[in-house]
Amino acid sequence: TQLLEQSPQFLSIQEGENLTVYCNSSSVFSSLQWYRQEPGEGPVLLVTVVTGGEVKKLKRLTFQFGDARKDSSLHITAAQPGDTGLYLCAGDPGTASKLTFGTGTRLQVTL
Amino acid sequence: EPEVTQTPSHQVTQMGQEVILRCVPISNHLYFYWYRQILGQKVEFLVSFYNNEISEKSEIFDDQFSVERPDGSNFTLKIRSTKLEDSAMYFCASSARLGNEQFFGPGTRLTVL
Repeated sequence: TQLLEQSPQFLSIQEGENLTVYCNSSSVFSSLQWYRQEPGEGPVLLVTVVTGGEVKKLKRLTFQFGDARKDSSLHITAAQPGDTGLYLCAGDPGTASKLTFGTGTRLQVTL
Repeated sequence: EPEVTQTPSHQVTQMGQEVILRCVPISNHLYFYWYRQILGQKVEFLVSFYNNEISEKSEIFDDQFSVERPDGSNFTLKIRSTKLEDSAMYFCASSARLGNEQFFGPGTRLTVL
């Protein structure tokens, strides 16, 4: 069974700070997706990374896929209260017919 | 912007009853999925579906579960005899192609009493 561990589990920071969330596995994934989930709602896709070493930027969010395609990171610059939520990474193990979700990082950004 | 929709948003049922959760995937998508998320736990894969048959299923998806695409737009998950431990959020997702991004619906909260 392929597992994705996210760290930290919880993060509380003040507006304007930078942060990085990590998603790690001992297994290789053919692609990795990052989602954000609000309470009582479904995960909303932020980005997909496919190539080892790939970096993608979405405004203040920077996503990186590890060279070996076993890990990924999400960096947020100058966090805002609107960034508050549960961040999930999810990997495609190669069957392309399911996603394995990470344990999640709950981010709270306060004024 | 096209989106996945799910009904009902909340379903309460008695243990042993049958429930059907409904999903309308994004219209040009061909691959459909069900996931569940027990309160406080991570999202877990249940089943994937393509070309009117199951592509892959997890160990959670036992004989009590079934999926169907009864017409050109709906995708359903049936639980024949619900158990207390089936209480969870159930998410439907769809993707345009195999290995493509999966887009999730808002979920159905199932409460089994």
